[in-house]
Amino acid sequence: GQQVMQIPQYQHVQEGEDFTTYCNSSTTLSNIQWYKQRPGGHPVFLIQLVKSGEVKKQKRLTFQFGEAKKNSSLHITATQTTDVGTYFCAGHGTNAGKSTFGDGTTLTVKP
Amino acid sequence: EAQVTQNPRYLITVTGKKLTVTCSQNMNHEYMSWYRQDPGLGLRQIYYSMNVEVTDKGDVPEGYKVSRKEKRNFPLILESPSPNQTSLYFCASAIEYRNTQYFGPGTRLTVL
Repeated sequence: GQQVMQIPQYQHVQEGEDFTTYCNSSTTLSNIQWYKQRPGGHPVFLIQLVKSGEVKKQKRLTFQFGEAKKNSSLHITATQTTDVGTYFCAGHGTNAGKSTFGDGTTLTVKP
Repeated sequence: EAQVTQNPRYLITVTGKKLTVTCSQNMNHEYMSWYRQDPGLGLRQIYYSMNVEVTDKGDVPEGYKVSRKEKRNFPLILESPSPNQTSLYFCASAIEYRNTQYFGPGTRLTVL
């Protein structure tokens, strides 16, 4: 079945440093979504990528979808303490309805 | 306010005692889904529903049942809970299956 791998599992950065998390799927995806979960909270939608090679930006966050639609990345420039949390990617393949999440990358930011 | 609600938020129970976790959304969404979250394992899909009376298995359906008799409700049923079902459970809904998923606040279940 479809598998989505996400690395790294944990990332500790100093405030102001950059951060990147990577997502790789075993199969071609129809789209990929990114979510953020604050400690003790629930996942909250950040963005959706649909097109091959798509790049989207939200302030300090940059999201990319690979040309083959099998990988994606989230890059945060100049991290802030408000960026702490776990970032998940979620892929949708050809099996309508099935949603496969990566294991998440937990980001901690030291002030 | 548009939201997904889950009840109860916390539950401690014993092995074998049937329980139901309710999920309700007020956004008229067609798609609903249940996930469990365990440390280091991310979110794993249990069951999903594309619309009323249409449900299907996710990646970890064993030991769970669901029903979708009305559009707004999608209860998760554990007929005979076991300790390995101790987890944090999230319900989510979306306009349709590939759209943004809105998550409920979560239900922390402990099975002794």
